[in-house]
This record gives sequence, C-alpha cells and structure tokens, in this order.
Amino acid sequence: GDSVTQMEGPVTLSEEAFLTINCTYTATGYPSLFWYVQYPGEGLQLLLKATKADDKGSNKGFEATYRKETTSFHLEKGSVQVSDSAVYFCALRRGNSGGSNYKLTFGKGTLLTVNP
Amino acid sequence: GAVVSQHPSWVICKSGTSVKIECRSLDFQATTMFWYRQFPKQSLMLMATSNEGSKATYEQGVEKDKFLINHASLTLSTLTVTSAHPEDSSFYICSARVKAGVYTGELFFGEGSRLTVL
Repeated sequence: GDSVTQMEGPVTLSEEAFLTINCTYTATGYPSLFWYVQYPGEGLQLLLKATKADDKGSNKGFEATYRKETTSFHLEKGSVQVSDSAVYFCALRRGNSGGSNYKLTFGKGTLLTVNP
Repeated sequence: GAVVSQHPSWVICKSGTSVKIECRSLDFQATTMFWYRQFPKQSLMLMATSNEGSKATYEQGVEKDKFLINHASLTLSTLTVTSAHPEDSSFYICSARVKAGVYTGELFFGEGSRLTVL
C-alpha cells in the first residue's frame, strides 16, 4: 500500500539557518504530493503541493521538488524564522482532485523548533 | 482560507461512556468530511469518509459500530465514540472538502480533539 516516510524529529535550528526535512514515499502510479504545517493549537494547513514529476511547490519561502526517480519530496527553506516553529507533515494522494477518491496518506510529522 | 472547527478540543470521560465530537465548516459547505486518528508520534490514520446524507465509508480495521459518524448537513459531521475505553484515547482530526467558491475542491482541517478515557 501507499506510505510516506519523513525524517524523525524533533529538529531544532537557530534563526536564519537552512532547513531540510526529508520525505520519501511509496505508491503506485503518479500520486500528488503535499506538505502540511500545523502551528501550535491550530489545524493542519496546506503549505505547498506538487502534482507531477519535477514540479516544484513553493510557499512562504519553503520549497519542495517532486522527484520521481528518488521518490522524494524534501522540504527546504533557506532561512528559517521563529514563526516557522511547527509540526510539518508530508503526504500523498492518489487519484485526481475531481474524483471521489481524495484520501491522503500522511507521514508521522516532524516537529521543528526555531530558536532566536 | 476556509475554517473548520472541532468541538470539544479536549474531552476526558469515564470508561464505558460515549463521547461526541463535532466538526463544522464555518464559512463553506463541504461535499465530504474525513475523520482521522493520530496516536503520539504517529501519522494521521484515516478512519472514515462521510458525505452529507449518506452512510460513512470506513477504512479497513475501523469498527463502524464503535465510531459512529453522522453527516446531517453540508456543514456538520459528528463522530461518536461509543462505550469508550482507554485504548480509544487519541487525537481525532477532521477535514472538510470545499463544495464551491474560491477554494472549491480544497481540503481544510480542524484543530483536532483530544480524547482521554479514564
């Protein structure tokens, strides 16, 4: 079945440091890939997504590139801020967004703490 | 973005009692709502998918008589944990898919509800 593996946390960085959170997946076909972020006390929010190979999703300075050859979707940010402290979830979805199948498969989440 | 609200955010109950968790889409109608369960340091596991006015579709291994899901309107779905036991203690998260508007088709998550069964 489908699965998502992301690096275990917690990850602790100083402000302005470079961030990488690794994510690899196992799925048949061509899934869509997502990064969700959960700030303390809030629900998960979509951070970025990519729907086909070599697509790069980006938002709020975060980027991730859909690499089919390595089945990866690593999250990166060049300079993190204290406000980026949150839990980050990598996820995949098989099936198109217009269909009835909208099931997401999540990784375990990575807690990021950014210190000033 | 659109807002999904869960209530209660935290509930403690005695073993054997039933607990209801509500999931509301506050500013949009939802075609579909999803219920997830999250154990500590584990990923979100999809429990069931519910469409307004129809029976929920449960994932394999999820007891439908244990976790009752009602989706009475396009803005409200409820999860009832019946005869709760300590092993049901978990973090329950709902998400809703937007029916129409600028966010059509997108998925928004509630903030989660933590259930502790004593």
